[in-house]
Amino acid sequence: KAGVTQTPRYLIKTRGQQVTLSCSPISGHRSVSWYQQTPGQGLQFLFEYFSETQRNKGNFPGRFSGRQFSNSRSEMNVSTLELGDSALYLCASSLEGRKETQYFGPGTRLLVL
Amino acid sequence: AQSVTQLDSQVPVFEEAPVELRCNYSSSVSVYLFWYVQYPNQGLQLLLKYLSGSTLVKGINGFEAEFNKSQTSFHLRKPSVHISDTAEYFCAVRGAQKLVFGQGTRLTINP
Repeated sequence: KAGVTQTPRYLIKTRGQQVTLSCSPISGHRSVSWYQQTPGQGLQFLFEYFSETQRNKGNFPGRFSGRQFSNSRSEMNVSTLELGDSALYLCASSLEGRKETQYFGPGTRLLVL
Repeated sequence: AQSVTQLDSQVPVFEEAPVELRCNYSSSVSVYLFWYVQYPNQGLQLLLKYLSGSTLVKGINGFEAEFNKSQTSFHLRKPSVHISDTAEYFCAVRGAQKLVFGQGTRLTINP
C-alpha cells in the first residue's frame, strides 16, 4: 500500500505570495492532519480534516487554510506569506478516531525569501 | 489539555551502547502515546505506540518503551545502538483529533 505523498517536496516563495500544498493520504484513510515543523517552535498542529470537514484547528492565523476533497486528498493554503512561514509542512493520515495511528508523509519544505 | 516534555534535547552515545530517551506527558483524557523518528530531510516514521494493554511496548529497529502511569512517563530504550540510529526522536500524546509533540531528542551515535 502506498504511503502518504506530498507535493511539491520543495518550494521557494517570496513574501506576500501565496502557496498551496497538496497531500494524498494512504488509501482508505479518511482523516488528514497538517503540522508545521520549525527549529524554534517544533511540531505544531495546524488542522485536521475528516470527510471534507475541518474537525479541529490549531492556533494559527487565518492566512492558513485548508480543504479536503471527496477522495480524501487535502490541500493547505497559506496566503500573504511571511518569512516566519518558512518551515517543513507535514501531512499525516489515519483511518479515523483518536486511537488510530497517524502516518506521515515526507513533508514539503517551504522557504520564504 | 495534553503536553509532552522530552527531558534531553541531545543524547550522544557510543555505538553498541544502550540508550534511553526520556519522555514525560500530561493528559486529562485516556492516554495514547507514540514515538516517532525523523531521519535527516525526511518525514516522521512511527517507531512504536501505546494504546492499551501491556505497558512494555516493542517497536521497529529494536526499540522498546515502557508506559508508566504513576510517573506519567513513556521512555524509549534500545539495548545496543547502531550508527544508523542517528536521528531525531519525537514523543507524542494523542489528544482530541491531534498529536501533541515534545520538542524532540537528537540522538548522535559516535563510533
